[in-house]
Amino acid sequence: DAGITQSPRHKVTETGTPVTLRCHQTENHRYMYWYRQDPGHGLRLIHYSYGVKDTDKGEVSDGYSVSRSKTEDFLLTLESATSSQTSVYFCAISDGLLNTEAFFGQGTRLTVV
Amino acid sequence: QQPVQSPQAVILREGEDAVINCSSSKALYSVHWYRQKHGEAPVFLMILLKGGEQKGHDKISASFNEKKQQSSLYLTASQLSYSGTYFCGTGMGGATNKLIFGTGTLLAVQP
Repeated sequence: DAGITQSPRHKVTETGTPVTLRCHQTENHRYMYWYRQDPGHGLRLIHYSYGVKDTDKGEVSDGYSVSRSKTEDFLLTLESATSSQTSVYFCAISDGLLNTEAFFGQGTRLTVV
Repeated sequence: QQPVQSPQAVILREGEDAVINCSSSKALYSVHWYRQKHGEAPVFLMILLKGGEQKGHDKISASFNEKKQQSSLYLTASQLSYSGTYFCGTGMGGATNKLIFGTGTLLAVQP
């Protein structure tokens, strides 16, 4: 199994508080992604990274920011959590070679109350 | 734009076949297929590249129509273990390797 760990696995937070989710990999893969999964919407891309300090927005980036200061860590921050950000968040990694797949972390279930 | 999958859900009996479709409004470089069991992370099934190269599962097949920006996943002689949610992912290629996933198809295989 690919070495990818998300933390925390579960979190309950209050509306208006900042929250940071961490994705840690031991595969030295260049590309890292954050998705959120909601019923009826599948997996939606929030932000992604194509190298250290190189990040870009996905389809649902409003209210989220990311940072990647080293290859192995990709942080997702909810600047001021809202109830609409209650979701399951998945991190994924890829080495970006032509015929290789992405590997997913186990997910973080975030509840904003 | 998120790729659109159809059908949204399908129920099968063991041994029956199913086709899941994925359609994108943008030109694609690659199409990925993943399966997710309830409460688990998505797991890789197959990747299809522009130009015809494929890599993946030995019991599941797929097609990729580059001109129409569509892909189909073919599940034949389905087994109980095939149950789950299937996602297609579309890669645009290039230096950023952006990977966008579809809306998902829930497949339930019954005995």
